[in-house]
Amino acid sequence: SYVLTQPLSESVAPGKTAKITCGGNNIGTKSVHWYQQKPGQAPVVVIYYDSGRPSGTPERFSGSNSGNTATLTISRVEAGDEADYYCQVWDSSSDHWVFGGGTKLTVL
Amino acid sequence: EVQLLESGGRLVQPGRSLRLSCAASGFTFSSSAMTWVRQAPEKGLEWVSAITANGDTTYYGDSVKGRFTISRDNSRSTLYLQMNSLRAEDTAVYYCAKAPYGGSYHVDYWGQGALVTVSS
Repeated sequence: SYVLTQPLSESVAPGKTAKITCGGNNIGTKSVHWYQQKPGQAPVVVIYYDSGRPSGTPERFSGSNSGNTATLTISRVEAGDEADYYCQVWDSSSDHWVFGGGTKLTVL
Repeated sequence: EVQLLESGGRLVQPGRSLRLSCAASGFTFSSSAMTWVRQAPEKGLEWVSAITANGDTTYYGDSVKGRFTISRDNSRSTLYLQMNSLRAEDTAVYYCAKAPYGGSYHVDYWGQGALVTVSS
């Protein structure tokens, strides 16, 4: 089955740029979606179809996808961005939704 | 306003059954694919099952296939998850979630979750 690999954690200082990666075999051929989950809350989509931003997502959030890696980039990081981030794809070969293991973003 | 309200979560013994419900409002339920995603304590998100907008096609994760059944009642705007032969490893918060439209494979809205605890 298709596997998505994320780093367990990333740390970034306020005002800097955070990059969270999501690795998968030829992931560039799939559509990648990103979710943010804060403690005790349900997830929220922040990026869909690789780089699309829902209406509630700040412009500081952007996404890219190529080759074997998709990336969520958060510019000018704020304390409120501290959360777990998950990538997700649809694997058509298995008819499965697949989530990455999640990355805990810590704002220093 | 889109609302997804899960119910049915509780403590249940291993081997027993449980049915979760998700009452939807604020959107055209019959036009959206729906899915269940769970999260074990202190763990990541795990996709459980999905169903197309008209209910004619269902999908299951490997860990629940053959034990869980997803269904929907479009006349009642309600999604269901019938869980049989429950195991300790099924303990999790179960989220009901909607896809933007029938042919989409991501979530645009999530419920607040229902806690299922499998323990003797």
